[in-house]
Amino acid sequence: DIQLTQSPSFLSASVGDRVTITCRASQGISSYLAWYQQKPGKAPQLLIYAASTLQSGVPSRFSGSGSGTEFTLTISSLQPEDFATYYCQQLNSYPSSFGGGTKVEIK
Amino acid sequence: QVQLQESGPGLVSPSQTLSLTCNVSGGSISSGGYYWSWIRQHPGKGLEWIGYIYDSGNTYYNPSLKSRVTMSVDTSKNQFSLKLNSVTAADTAVYYCARGPGAYVYWGQGTLVTVSS
Repeated sequence: DIQLTQSPSFLSASVGDRVTITCRASQGISSYLAWYQQKPGKAPQLLIYAASTLQSGVPSRFSGSGSGTEFTLTISSLQPEDFATYYCQQLNSYPSSFGGGTKVEIK
Repeated sequence: QVQLQESGPGLVSPSQTLSLTCNVSGGSISSGGYYWSWIRQHPGKGLEWIGYIYDSGNTYYNPSLKSRVTMSVDTSKNQFSLKLNSVTAADTAVYYCARGPGAYVYWGQGTLVTVSS
């Protein structure tokens, strides 16, 4: 099974900051990676799929990059509504798996 | 717009079977090509992928849960189901249904299932 390791697990940032979250896969997964945002009490919401393709309706300040084993999610200018927990998911092979999450909090 | 909604008991006794249903609206479950999935989230923790069922009835379960999981689909009711047997407190979680394949655009709102006597 493929393990995903996210870092950091927690980060404190201010509105307007540029934020980068990393997701590392235990083996190569090509570009079969998605990123989700989850707010308390809500289901995850898809932000990016195929490592770098922005889901329809998602603000352009979100971007994804990477392939193989290392991936990043970048928020170019953090907005108040972006304070949430972010997860990566690999879709290269089953069982699918998620990273442990990165909680983004207000500094 | 596709919508998914989980339903089922919020409290299950230890050693019993957890049974949840996901009702699909805004589209036919048998329209083909979709993997109807279950994901769970332990309180305050990350996401765990449970498995999927194809509209033909083919399934794939996470090996970590495979011995206890059964999924089924009822095309007449446009819903699919999850059964998890021999539950323990470690199965207490929010259970989500979602539509694949690929990344999950559509999710249910989630339902909390507590395993306790």
